[in-house]
Amino acid sequence: DAKTTQPPSMDCAEGRAANLPCNHSTISGNEYVYWYRQIHSQGPQYIIHGLKNNETNEMASLIITEDRKSSTLILPHATLRDTAVYYCIVRVDHYGQNFVFGPGTRLSVLP
Amino acid sequence: AAGVIQSPRHLIKEKRETATLKCYPIPRHDTVYWYQQGPGQDPQFLISFYEKMQSDKGSIPDRFSAQQFSDYHSELNMSSLELGDSALYFCASRRAYTGELFFGEGSRLTVL
Repeated sequence: DAKTTQPPSMDCAEGRAANLPCNHSTISGNEYVYWYRQIHSQGPQYIIHGLKNNETNEMASLIITEDRKSSTLILPHATLRDTAVYYCIVRVDHYGQNFVFGPGTRLSVLP
Repeated sequence: AAGVIQSPRHLIKEKRETATLKCYPIPRHDTVYWYQQGPGQDPQFLISFYEKMQSDKGSIPDRFSAQQFSDYHSELNMSSLELGDSALYFCASRRAYTGELFFGEGSRLTVL
């Protein structure tokens, strides 16, 4: 699976959009981009995933560049409860194959 | 909605003892994953099962074993426990060919 690079930490003001970048320059054509987050000591939580098109759900938007070498997770209106470690994971969508977590971005939403 | 159930939530053991963690996946999920997370670390993949067969293996020590049963629940058996085995152990389940992993709340193992 392709390696990913994320900034170790970011701050965001409450109510503002949080834009979390991820570089995956070695991604191959059949690999998806997944985003998960982990709030302190809780199990990781799925946020969103995509292959090449931009995706949006009730939690976030995922913007994937046309060459697929990078992506951005957007939390449109960050709240204090969005403070967490965010993981960008690139993998082929095979059954049973594992998701590799880390290192991610520690997002701190500030009041 | 039903979630992934892990038991026990907390477990305290002495060195060299044995521990068993249980995981009950979401109904109709056919894939189970086990992860270990030490203090201040990212979750580390241990092992996964698809349709009761081991499908992928990570950094699982030889002292650990796991299996998935006919009712799809899974158990992680840990023997000759060491202090370094103290960690949060997460189980996750997934329906094949879907993108989302659902995690349980974890089992916290403390080895004294």
